[in-house]
Amino acid sequence: GENVEQHPSTLSVQEGDSAVIKCTYSDSASNYFPWYKQELGKRPQLIIDIRSNVGEKKDQRIAVTLNKTAKHFSLHITETQPEDSAVYFCAASIGSGNTGKLIFGQGTTLQVKP
Amino acid sequence: NAGVTQTPKFRVLKTGQSMTLLCAQDMNHEYMYWYRQDPGMGLRLIHYSVGEGTTAKGEVPDGYNVSRLKKQNFLLGLESAAPSQTSVYFCASSYSRTGTIDPQHFGDGTRLSIL
Repeated sequence: GENVEQHPSTLSVQEGDSAVIKCTYSDSASNYFPWYKQELGKRPQLIIDIRSNVGEKKDQRIAVTLNKTAKHFSLHITETQPEDSAVYFCAASIGSGNTGKLIFGQGTTLQVKP
Repeated sequence: NAGVTQTPKFRVLKTGQSMTLLCAQDMNHEYMYWYRQDPGMGLRLIHYSVGEGTTAKGEVPDGYNVSRLKKQNFLLGLESAAPSQTSVYFCASSYSRTGTIDPQHFGDGTRLSIL
């Protein structure tokens, strides 16, 4: 079946450094790739998303890149701050039908040390 | 605008008991989803609905049933709770637009423990 692999599972960086989280997906029909941030005990919240007709998207300190040929997409956070500490999930849409279904990666726990 | 509201927030059940989790959204979204979240396993789709009166199975549907009698509500039922169903349950909803996928908006979750 379809799956999304996310790496690393944990990531620790110093404040001000960059953080990169990588995901690969298996469904060649996937065309929507959101990233969610989840703070401890809270709901997942969308931080950025990218569609298959775009190779890169930026929003202030956050950027996402997509390589459809390699079925690979990545989240880049620059100038990290302690408030960036959270669990980050990547996801990919499933199938060609417009149901909005997503399959999620296993999550990356990011710790930003002050 | 409350967004996506889940009730209850916490619940403890005994094995074999039944219960219903309620999800309500006030954004006029067509699509609604139920996920479970377990440590190290991300979010896994249980069931979903693309409109009032329709439901479909996700990745892990066994042991759960759902109903979408009203557009704004999506109910998740456990007929006979098992310890393996101890988890945090999230509901999400999204718009439906032809030819595109819209972001899913999540509720605050229901933490369910089965003893």
